[in-house]
Amino acid sequence: AAGVIQSPRHLIKEKRETATLKCYPIPRHDTVYWYQQGPGQDPQFLISFYEKMQSDKGSIPDRFSAQQFSDYHSELNMSSLELGDSALYFCASSFSAGGQETQYFGPGTRLLVL
Amino acid sequence: AQTVTQSQPEMSVQEAETVTLSCTYDTSESNYYLFWYKQPPSRQMILVIRQEAYKQQNATENRFSVNFQKAAKSFSLKISDSQLGDTAMYFCAFMKRVQKLVFGQGTRLTINP
Repeated sequence: AAGVIQSPRHLIKEKRETATLKCYPIPRHDTVYWYQQGPGQDPQFLISFYEKMQSDKGSIPDRFSAQQFSDYHSELNMSSLELGDSALYFCASSFSAGGQETQYFGPGTRLLVL
Repeated sequence: AQTVTQSQPEMSVQEAETVTLSCTYDTSESNYYLFWYKQPPSRQMILVIRQEAYKQQNATENRFSVNFQKAAKSFSLKISDSQLGDTAMYFCAFMKRVQKLVFGQGTRLTINP
């Protein structure tokens, strides 16, 4: 079965640079969630989209923005990167309209800020 | 706000043994979902099992089963006949409908040969 695709899988950036993370949900899934997992921590919710509209917002810095496109893929844009942004970023998708609430995770993007 | 607590930071058992991971949560909601996710060293987040709060019957998936006690707000995971491949970090998570997952701190489980 098709899974959530994230790209790139690994990313190395310098402080103050920008990064764009991409997420392709499971086909027919209408909801995308972004999570950030620091070393030794549990995943923390950043933001979510349902049918291309922002549905919820968590502890996402103002330097970050995200959107969901007409083909349901989503992008997380991160600017003015800081050392503390180094983390594993997960995208998860679900089929909310179908009552399938389960979130399925992509493999994650490992971001290292130097 | 919902909170999820996993009181066992680490556990270790021998292969083929049965192990139970604990999870408690706090919510005022009546309709919600509970999940266990597994994160092996690859750090992929893998769904293990899910439970709908309105269902009294405990969920099972092969060697994995849960003990869901709604009144006590407890949601433990039992792994039977543990295997080396079960070695991972296990996260308990709470979710209201079409909303974010709230995770516990995780339990690092090691299966020894």
